[in-house]
Amino acid sequence: GIQVEQSPPDLILQEGANSTLRCNFSDSVNNLQWFHQNPWGQLINLFYIPSGTKQNGRLSATTVATERYSLLYISSSQTTDSGVYFCAVTHSWGKFQFGAGTQVVVTP
Amino acid sequence: DTGVSQDPRHKITKRGQNVTFRCDPISEHNRLYWYRQTLGQGPEFLTYFQNEAQLEKSRLLSDRFSAERPKGSFSTLEIQRTEQGDSAMYLCASSRMGPRVAKNIQYFGAGTRLSVL
Repeated sequence: GIQVEQSPPDLILQEGANSTLRCNFSDSVNNLQWFHQNPWGQLINLFYIPSGTKQNGRLSATTVATERYSLLYISSSQTTDSGVYFCAVTHSWGKFQFGAGTQVVVTP
Repeated sequence: DTGVSQDPRHKITKRGQNVTFRCDPISEHNRLYWYRQTLGQGPEFLTYFQNEAQLEKSRLLSDRFSAERPKGSFSTLEIQRTEQGDSAMYLCASSRMGPRVAKNIQYFGAGTRLSVL
């Protein structure tokens, strides 16, 4: 099956800092989503982005499908950005394959 | 749109007992997925339905696990003879797929956290 690797595994940021999270995948995909998992376990949709670039407030994402990677940018980080960020992909219009996630801690 | 709803939110059971979880998808969504997540890992796919048909099951889903979606609306996931290794968060997601919808954007519920003592 498709392999998904996320980096870095952990990230500690000071409030106000910018950061980039990366997701590499081993095969072509027709669906890629970024999620934020809050401390209560809820997975919150951030982006549906199988290709191209999108922005939503302080977050933006870019997927370069031909090179099999996606980037999630967090700008001017806030403590509420803390949590685990997951990349999930599928190439079969069915189940997702998730990466192991990036644990982000934003300190005041 | 009330989102994906899962019940219960938490379940504590003794080893050997049976447990059943329920998932209510977003109303117009025809697909429903079950995933399992253990501490420090990403969610792992278990099974999914399109309407009432179960289209795929993971090898992770042993004979003790069964899922149903009898009328193509809510779904149940049952674990028989629970083991300590079954302790995990069980997540449900739903999406809408069809001839005019080719995105398969999955929306997740808050999950059911199972602890097997």
